[in-house]
Amino acid sequence: GQQVMQIPQYQHVQEGEDFTTYCNSSTTLSNIQWYKQRPGGHPVFLIQLVKSGEVKKQKRLTFQFGEAKKNSSLHITATQTTDVGTYFCAATNFGNEKLTFGTGTRLTIIP
Amino acid sequence: GAGVSQSPRYKVAKRGQDVALRCDPISGHVSLFWYQQALGQGPEFLTYFQNEAQLDKSGLPSDRFFAERPEGSVSTLKIQRTQQEDSAVYLCASSYTGFAEAFFGQGTRLTVV
Repeated sequence: GQQVMQIPQYQHVQEGEDFTTYCNSSTTLSNIQWYKQRPGGHPVFLIQLVKSGEVKKQKRLTFQFGEAKKNSSLHITATQTTDVGTYFCAATNFGNEKLTFGTGTRLTIIP
Repeated sequence: GAGVSQSPRYKVAKRGQDVALRCDPISGHVSLFWYQQALGQGPEFLTYFQNEAQLDKSGLPSDRFFAERPEGSVSTLKIQRTQQEDSAVYLCASSYTGFAEAFFGQGTRLTVV
């Protein structure tokens, strides 16, 4: 079945530093979504990418979808303590609505 | 309601007991997903519905797991003869259509003792 891998598994950064998580698939994806899950909470939708090479920005967050639609990244500039949580990518294949989650990257911030 | 509602929030079951977990999706949402999330892991797909039709149940771990959505709105995930390895948070999500953003409920934390 489809597998979506994320790296790194954990990331500890000083407040104000940048953070990036990467999502990789062995198959071409229909679209990719990013979610954030705070400790003890549930996943909350951040963004969806559909087009090859697409780049979207939300304030300090930048999302990219690879040209081959097999990988994606999330970059956070100048992290803040509110950015703490686990970031998941989630992907669907063509013709199948099944949303498969990546392994996640847990971000902790050192104040 | 304003969001996806799941009940109960917490459930403690004795090994061998049957449990039923309920999900109330956002009104009008066609797609409904169930996920299992173990501590420190990502959500693992269990099954999904498009209206009342169960289109994919490939993630259900065993035939002890059963899900239904008979009228295309509320869904129930049933686990028969619970085992300790079933302990996890069970998340329900709904979306307006397939491939759209998914809205998650707070989850049901199941502990099998």
